[in-house]
Amino acid sequence: GENVEQHPSTLSVQEGDSAVIKCTYSDSASNYFPWYKQELGKRPQLIIDIRSNVGEKKDQRIAVTLNKTAKHFSLHITETQPEDSAVYFCAATRLNQAGTALIFGKGTTLSVSS
Amino acid sequence: SQTIHQWPATLVQPVGSPLSLECTVEGTSNPNLYWYRQAAGRGLQLLFYSVGIGQISSEVPQNLSASRPQDRQFILSSKKLLLSDSGFYLCAWRLGLAGKSYNEQFFGPGTRLTVL
Repeated sequence: GENVEQHPSTLSVQEGDSAVIKCTYSDSASNYFPWYKQELGKRPQLIIDIRSNVGEKKDQRIAVTLNKTAKHFSLHITETQPEDSAVYFCAATRLNQAGTALIFGKGTTLSVSS
Repeated sequence: SQTIHQWPATLVQPVGSPLSLECTVEGTSNPNLYWYRQAAGRGLQLLFYSVGIGQISSEVPQNLSASRPQDRQFILSSKKLLLSDSGFYLCAWRLGLAGKSYNEQFFGPGTRLTVL
């Protein structure tokens, strides 16, 4: 089955710096890779996603890159702000006879200090 | 628009007691439904998912079970809770479109369960 590894588990940056979170997946059939942001005590919220037929996607300060050959994808946050502090999760689809499910990485706690 | 509800929001239960958590979705039909558990400071572990009424796929063998008695209702149950069942339980849904796996998944507000 699908296995998603996420690194680093914690990341501390200064306000204005960039932050990069990396994930790898094992199932070559995976075709959708979303990123979620979870603030303390709240539900995860989708911040950006990428499909397998695209190599890069950008939305203002956040971007995601995908390397299907190497089976890894990354989240890039530029000009970080204190409100970016949260736990970030990557995920990849797993498809089987029972249907489609998102398998998540273990999360990265991002701390942005001003 | 679609809305997902979970209740209760918080729950404190003794070890060995039963459990029933409910999730309902409004504004869509035939959604794919999911239960995830998040232990304190940990990741999102997929527990169960369902692509239709009465269809349940289990991810990990444990003392939990799930049921889908109606199209937009998903229930997580246990006959006897363990200490290790404590955590934040999240229900999620996404459009159940055949052949389309790249649909956004939406999470419910979650139930925080403490087993004492």
